[in-house]
Amino acid sequence: GQNIDQPTEMTATEGAIVQINCTYQTSGFNGLFWYQQHAGEAPTFLSYNVLDGLEEKGRFSSFLSRSKGYSYLLLKELQMKDSASYLCAASDSNYQLIWGAGTKLIIKP
Amino acid sequence: ETGVTQSPTHLIKTRGQQVTLRCSSQSGHNTVSWYQQALGQGPQFIFQYYREEENGRGNFPPRFSGLQFPNYSSELNVNALELDDSALYLCASSLEGGGTGANVLTFGAGSRLTVL
Repeated sequence: GQNIDQPTEMTATEGAIVQINCTYQTSGFNGLFWYQQHAGEAPTFLSYNVLDGLEEKGRFSSFLSRSKGYSYLLLKELQMKDSASYLCAASDSNYQLIWGAGTKLIIKP
Repeated sequence: ETGVTQSPTHLIKTRGQQVTLRCSSQSGHNTVSWYQQALGQGPQFIFQYYREEENGRGNFPPRFSGLQFPNYSSELNVNALELDDSALYLCASSLEGGGTGANVLTFGAGSRLTVL
């Protein structure tokens, strides 16, 4: 079957670094996507990885290991506005996104 | 450029009724996908429309149906509503009907459906 696993909740301190992990199992693979969703709002696209390695985008970076079925999202210099759910989604052989349940990130001052 | 707009934002229905949700895609996008998101869960793919044709469907029963219009706007129809249909329904548009670009989604704010 197809499955995405990510932690339910994480807590971090303002100004610190946090890494949100995601493991996936899909029928075929066409990329790993990260979306941010603030409470009561729609998800917004953050990043995607198709090849192994690290993609950096300002304070956010995303890493992919296809052989391990593993990705992480790294958030640096955390700000209070980063408090949100972070959704990991893998694109399968039909380019359909399989979504995780999301990781709720709580930032404390 | 306008984003994705959905209507209505909230609605309450009773079991057995029918509902139609509407979505206007972002300017320049020709693909619309619909998702169901239960509280505390990730989005579940319902179906996708590309150039007015269904272009993929998730594990939802036939009472979930849709349309895409020539201007790329879309409707989601749900018949014979059940209590478990209570959820946030998200519409997302993208540039391509397939390929990686189709997964770079711009979401609307959603329609929250409550079935009593």
